[in-house]
Amino acid sequence: DGGITQSPKYLFRKEGQNVTLSCEQNLNHDAMYWYRQDPGQGLRLIYYSQIVNDFQKGDIAEGYSVSREKKESFPLTVTSAQKNPTAFYLCASSIPPVFMGYNEQFFGPGTRLTVL
Amino acid sequence: KNEVEQSPQNLTAQEGEFITINCSYSVGISALHWLQQHPGGGIVSLFMLSSGKKKHGRLIATINIQEKHSSLHITASHPRDSAVYICAVSFGGAQKLVFGQGTRLTINP
Repeated sequence: DGGITQSPKYLFRKEGQNVTLSCEQNLNHDAMYWYRQDPGQGLRLIYYSQIVNDFQKGDIAEGYSVSREKKESFPLTVTSAQKNPTAFYLCASSIPPVFMGYNEQFFGPGTRLTVL
Repeated sequence: KNEVEQSPQNLTAQEGEFITINCSYSVGISALHWLQQHPGGGIVSLFMLSSGKKKHGRLIATINIQEKHSSLHITASHPRDSAVYICAVSFGGAQKLVFGQGTRLTINP
């Protein structure tokens, strides 16, 4: 089955600790994205990557870091510098628009991070 | 100001009713997306459109480029349609989406 997996579904961490959220896709998509969702707000883009070994900051990148060493994987690290890390985090992937004209994004199931 | 505005924010209806959710955006776009988010949090893409109208089962999405407005309609609504419906727009080669705040739909039996 092709799709996007995120693990774990629920994650608890103590304040001040870094934590890494996993995102894996087997859709052979070049582009991958990380979003954050807070109650009452739309999804906000943290980081995105259009190709392996390249990534760009989104609208709220401060306090986060990513890597894209493999096409299938785009892990997100929430660092202790992130002031309000408790949120729902969604990973997505897409074929870049150069092939489709515009991109449809496929989403993972999400990870709910709670910092205690 | 959010570039994508949805209305209403919350909508409760009885099973069988015709549902309309609206989305307005402020700048030119390459495509508009309608997404569905169930209580567990996972998001599914329902429609992606840049003009006209699309239909899938009981769901219909329309877009008016001149008025910068889109609507999502659900015919013969059912409790399983209860979810948050999200409108998002994409801008050209940036491959980024800007999301609306979502509309929480509850269909009562």
